[in-house]
Amino acid sequence: QVLLVESGGGVVHPGRSLRLSCEASGFPFNMYAMHWVRQAPGKGLEWVTAMSYDGSKTYYADSVKGRFTISRDNTKNTLYLEMNSLSADDTAVYYCARGRYYYDCSNLAPGGQGTLVAVSS
Amino acid sequence: QSMLTQPPSVSAAPGQKVTVSCSGSNSNIGNTYVSWYQQLPGTAPKLLIYENDKRPSGIADRFSGSRSGTSATLGITGLQTGDEADYYCGAWDTSLSAWVFGGGTKLTVL
Repeated sequence: QVLLVESGGGVVHPGRSLRLSCEASGFPFNMYAMHWVRQAPGKGLEWVTAMSYDGSKTYYADSVKGRFTISRDNTKNTLYLEMNSLSADDTAVYYCARGRYYYDCSNLAPGGQGTLVAVSS
Repeated sequence: QSMLTQPPSVSAAPGQKVTVSCSGSNSNIGNTYVSWYQQLPGTAPKLLIYENDKRPSGIADRFSGSRSGTSATLGITGLQTGDEADYYCGAWDTSLSAWVFGGGTKLTVL
């Protein structure tokens, strides 16, 4: 059974940084591309970023490009999202999701309950 | 602004059938797989359909997906009150090298 457990969310002041983690189990993590998706309160789903199975290819939404960095540690079956220069617009529940094999990001399967990031002064 | 277009809401009576449309372009739906997600109130989104028309294990066959050209459709038959949720379509956009979602459709079972 695929399980994704997000953590690291919390309340943070504008301009500060935060790192989210997503621990994966139930599938060969080191063979899959991975995504981060977010949902602001009362809003729809917004894709944030994706990474290939080996970390060599990354993709970002324009809204986070230059501020957020996706990374992964395949020895720990863990995906990360480093978020810098946070603003109120980044307030959302963040979900990680499994892609397809290797470099293929043409699937997005959430598997966890998400972690809430609240940016507030 | 969503790259995929969905109706904001649909409704139907219990036991009836409803469809949700999703319109895109040649760089997303017309060129890659479409997925559908169900988000029940207060819960995380769940994958309902992947690769246009495939159901993950555990998803009832009341849910179906199809794709034609640059549009996709989610069908739900035998509607139940427990199907009331927000439904999203999504696909990888090969021009943007980004995943795109529809704005979501709220299903009301009258």
